[in-house]
Amino acid sequence: AQKVTQAQTEISVVEKEDVTLDCVYETRDTTYYLFWYKQPPSGELVFLIRRNSFDEQNEISGRYSWNFQKSTSSFNFTITASQVVDSAVYFCALSEALGTSYDKVIFGPGTSLSVIP
Amino acid sequence: EADIYQTPRYLVIGTGKKITLECSQTMGHDKMYWYQQDPGMELHLIHYSYGVNSTEKGDLSSESTVSRIRTEHFPLTLESARPSHTSQYLCASSVHSPGANVLTFGAGSRLTVL
Repeated sequence: AQKVTQAQTEISVVEKEDVTLDCVYETRDTTYYLFWYKQPPSGELVFLIRRNSFDEQNEISGRYSWNFQKSTSSFNFTITASQVVDSAVYFCALSEALGTSYDKVIFGPGTSLSVIP
Repeated sequence: EADIYQTPRYLVIGTGKKITLECSQTMGHDKMYWYQQDPGMELHLIHYSYGVNSTEKGDLSSESTVSRIRTEHFPLTLESARPSHTSQYLCASSVHSPGANVLTFGAGSRLTVL
């Protein structure tokens, strides 16, 4: 069965601290995609990153970085020097093959991040 | 600015009423989706569509129905709303091409049934 687990329900950090959001996934597919989305208080989910199962290179984008490890089925997200604007709910998601068009996106339960000034 | 629009943003209605949540996108995306987000934040896929005249049920059983008569429009209807339908409903769309597609989400419709 396909599943995404985000064990951290809520995290609070003080501004400028680094924070890592954990994501563990389960899938029987050998080809799949992983995503992170951000949902700020306004409610609209915003895409952050997509990674396919053949690309285990870590990625850095400004203060954001992602660590993909197939051996542990994890796709963790780190925010460096957190800011108040980072306060949001963050969702990890998995897209598995449905036929050949990767239609089904399964979301984890989300981690609510609060950055305290 | 979002290219996918949901109306109404907020709706409070009484039990037994029929409601339709509207979702429109201007990006020409073939695939559209409805997710239900419960108060615990988790998102559940309730309906999706590959294109005009295509609709499929998602993982979470829902009493709602959808239609896809036009590419840009994917409304969700509840024939008789109940308090258990109280939730946030998120519409999304994506292009139709091989490989995993990034979802573009609307701002959501928050439904409260009294």
